[in-house]
Amino acid sequence: DAMVIQNPRYQVTQFGKPVTLSCSQTLNHNVMYWYQQKSSQAPKLLFHYYDKDFNNEADTPDNFQSRRPNTSFCFLDIRSPGLGDAAMYLCATSRTRDSRGHEQFFGPGTRLTVL
Amino acid sequence: AQSVTQLGSHVSVSEGALVLLRCNYSSSVPPYLFWYVQYPNQGLQLLLKYTSAATLVKGINGFEAEFKKSETSFHLTKPSAHMSDAAEYFCAVSSPSGGYNKLIFGAGTRLAVHP
Repeated sequence: DAMVIQNPRYQVTQFGKPVTLSCSQTLNHNVMYWYQQKSSQAPKLLFHYYDKDFNNEADTPDNFQSRRPNTSFCFLDIRSPGLGDAAMYLCATSRTRDSRGHEQFFGPGTRLTVL
Repeated sequence: AQSVTQLGSHVSVSEGALVLLRCNYSSSVPPYLFWYVQYPNQGLQLLLKYTSAATLVKGINGFEAEFKKSETSFHLTKPSAHMSDAAEYFCAVSSPSGGYNKLIFGAGTRLAVHP
């Protein structure tokens, strides 16, 4: 089945130690998104890639970076995780950036713990 | 700017009872509205969407939602709750932003179903 895969499902890191979260998709979608979801809150869009074009949200901290080496893979890098970065990180894909017409498909998420 | 407000962060119903989850929207353009469900430690799954066609929208798992422009509402209902419906439900609106349409999520409503 076509799907969005996130690895690992659970990640523990230390305060200030860089961490990378991975997302892959078999849907061949043009757009890949990264959302941050803190406990009992709505998902918050961090940034997205439209093909190779990176689009950062205005309020995303510089501590968060992303890479998309090819259509299938996208990475979220947190350069110096703080305690406030502990959250569920959701990857999503869609055919286009028009959320009116094209559904976003979400992966299962990676739960990040910062010690 | 477009936004959604979900009334009630927690809703509890008995198995077999009506489920009603409330969502009100604010939009300067005709809205595109969505309901997503999130089971524990999983990603979001689209339940249904309103795209300016029929005002009563049927989704998966027996859920439906009715778009009421006069009330700026898009409430989610299911006639008879099942234990498997216990999850977090997010209402979302498509919002124009920087040349594309992104999803803006509400804060979510956690549905508990008890025997």
